[in-house]
Amino acid sequence: EVQLVESGGGLVKPGGSLRLSCAASGFTFSSYSMNWVRQAPGKGLEWVSSINSGSSYIYYADSVKGRFTISRDNAKNSLYLQMDSLRAEDTAVYYCARDGWDLDPFDYWGQGTLVTVSS
Amino acid sequence: DVVMTQSPLSLPVTLGQPASISCRSSQSLVYIDGNTYLNWFQQRPGQSPRRLIYKVSNRDSGVPDRFSGSGSGTDFTLKISRVEAEDVGVYYCMQSTHWPPYTFGQGTKLEIK
Repeated sequence: EVQLVESGGGLVKPGGSLRLSCAASGFTFSSYSMNWVRQAPGKGLEWVSSINSGSSYIYYADSVKGRFTISRDNAKNSLYLQMDSLRAEDTAVYYCARDGWDLDPFDYWGQGTLVTVSS
Repeated sequence: DVVMTQSPLSLPVTLGQPASISCRSSQSLVYIDGNTYLNWFQQRPGQSPRRLIYKVSNRDSGVPDRFSGSGSGTDFTLKISRVEAEDVGVYYCMQSTHWPPYTFGQGTKLEIK
């Protein structure tokens, strides 16, 4: 069974940093592209960042470019999101999501971790 | 970026009746390989999103066959043949043809009348 478990969320002050993790199990993590998607309270879904299986292709939404860094450790079956220079508008539930094999994105999602940016 | 526009944004439906959600893109979602990368997601209250449909009409494993996707080019539809109580939630369309970025519709909230 595919499982994605996010952790690392919490309360942080504007300008601060946080590192999210996503632990994957139930599939060959090293073979799949992975993503982060966020959802502000009461709002819709927003794609944040993507990384391919070998970390050679990395993409970011304009809203986080230069502040967030996606990475992965295939030996540890883990995906990460380093978030720096956080702003109030980054407050959201952050989900990790797996891409499928057939150019089909977000076939499995984690339960999410809440990041709150507030003074 | 491709803008995805859903309608309606709120959809009250009587149990057992059909429901339909429209999704329009600001440009054609046909990719150079001939496929159309339009996806539908369901988010039940308090839960993570779940993918229902990919490439316009392909149902994910475990998705009931009362859910169906159709459309082409810039106009797409998610249909529920007979709404059940467990279908309550917010439905999102998302394009993955012209990415990055992946772009979602605003969401359609389905409720029982």
